Amino acid sequence: EDQVTQSPEALRLQEGESSSLNCSYTVSGLRGLFWYRQDPGKGPEFLFTLYSAGEEKEKERLKATLTKKESFLHITAPKPEDSATYLCAVRRQAGTALIFGKGTTLSVSS
Amino acid sequence: DSGVTQTPKHLITATGQRVTLRCSPRSGDLSVYWYQQSLDQGLQFLIHYYNGEERAKGNILERFSAQQFPDLHSELNLSSLELGDSALYFCASSNDPKTNYGYTFGSGTRLTVV
Repeated sequence: EDQVTQSPEALRLQEGESSSLNCSYTVSGLRGLFWYRQDPGKGPEFLFTLYSAGEEKEKERLKATLTKKESFLHITAPKPEDSATYLCAVRRQAGTALIFGKGTTLSVSS
Repeated sequence: DSGVTQTPKHLITATGQRVTLRCSPRSGDLSVYWYQQSLDQGLQFLIHYYNGEERAKGNILERFSAQQFPDLHSELNLSSLELGDSALYFCASSNDPKTNYGYTFGSGTRLTVV
């Protein structure tokens, strides 16, 4: 069964304190791993797509990496405005629907 | 504004009732996906429509149904509502069912069943 597990469930950081979020997955025939950001009461906002092991994508303070079994979202020198829930999702080879993990809720305090 | 419009934003209804949630996809997008988000289950895929045709079903209950109209807007119908149906319902759209750019999500409809 396809599965996406994110850890930790919640993470509290001080402003400037870098860290990483983990997304481990089990899927038959990965056709893309996606990262989204979700603010309270809003819809998820697309961040990155990764296709193959070794690939990396960056956007401002965020950097996503992919291996054959997991993906990491590295947050460098976070700011309070980075506080949100970060969702990881995968697409199977044969289907089109994204399978989401439950997310990591990040809180950054100044 | 993501370009995906969902109405209403909030809905409060009683158990046993029926409601309809509406979604207008981003201009040019032919695919519409419906997801349910609850605190304990996370985002769960319900159903996918492409250009008016059903493409895939996920964990959608028999009490729920959906359709996509010729103008590409979509409606999700929830009937015989139960307390456990209380959740955020999101619609997302994309311009290709196999797009690698992910979906664009709407801001959701918060359904409360009392």
